[in-house]
Amino acid sequence: IVMTQTPLSLSVAPGQPASISCKSSQSLLQSDGKTYLYWYLQKAGQSPQLLIYEVSSRFSGVPDRFSGSGSGTDFTLKISRVEAEDVGVYYCLEGTHLKTFGQGTKVEIK
Amino acid sequence: EVQLVESGGGLVQPGGSLRVSCAASGFILRNYWMTWVRQAPGKGLEWVANINGDGSEQNYMESVKGRFTISRDNAKNSLFLQMSSLRADDTAVYYCARDLYFGKLDTWGQGTLVTVSS
Repeated sequence: IVMTQTPLSLSVAPGQPASISCKSSQSLLQSDGKTYLYWYLQKAGQSPQLLIYEVSSRFSGVPDRFSGSGSGTDFTLKISRVEAEDVGVYYCLEGTHLKTFGQGTKVEIK
Repeated sequence: EVQLVESGGGLVQPGGSLRVSCAASGFILRNYWMTWVRQAPGKGLEWVANINGDGSEQNYMESVKGRFTISRDNAKNSLFLQMSSLRADDTAVYYCARDLYFGKLDTWGQGTLVTVSS
């Protein structure tokens, strides 16, 4: 499985929206009817943290400005209004097959 | 508090072996799949291996099959990654993570650095 994220970097002014795409080389729809696509954020000098699970569900404590969408092979993470604390590298992860991360998208504040 | 703490990283020569450990606390380890993820310096995340709750099932990324072994000791609340035939491209920070299911990694350790170099 190949997970392709675009763009690889993003510079966003505070308060503006941001969008990251993640495309998989195979469908992530599992036989149980669920799609195991996750989004993680790694801030500088920190371990990764879970943001979104199963495409669109926000993990505990994640602000509602973060949203996930998509199906099959095409997925998107959106930040409705970027804040300074959102800076870092965002990774998608497919959990349906052998577990593969995307290359990461670096988000910085303009 | 749920916590994971890795240890055992260090400098090892190419072809050598090393075992890294992950101490779990704040939850019942045997109830969870556990995962190792690595990150080479300045690079992205790479899923390495996982193991089910009782240790009877393990999965590995292709490039470490036959060289790395994931194991656990639930009685000692510990997860391990035994690495052998190490290569320069195995140099990375190795993170352990709790896997709720199918890659939902809700808790991560701080990582331990493994450097493979002569």
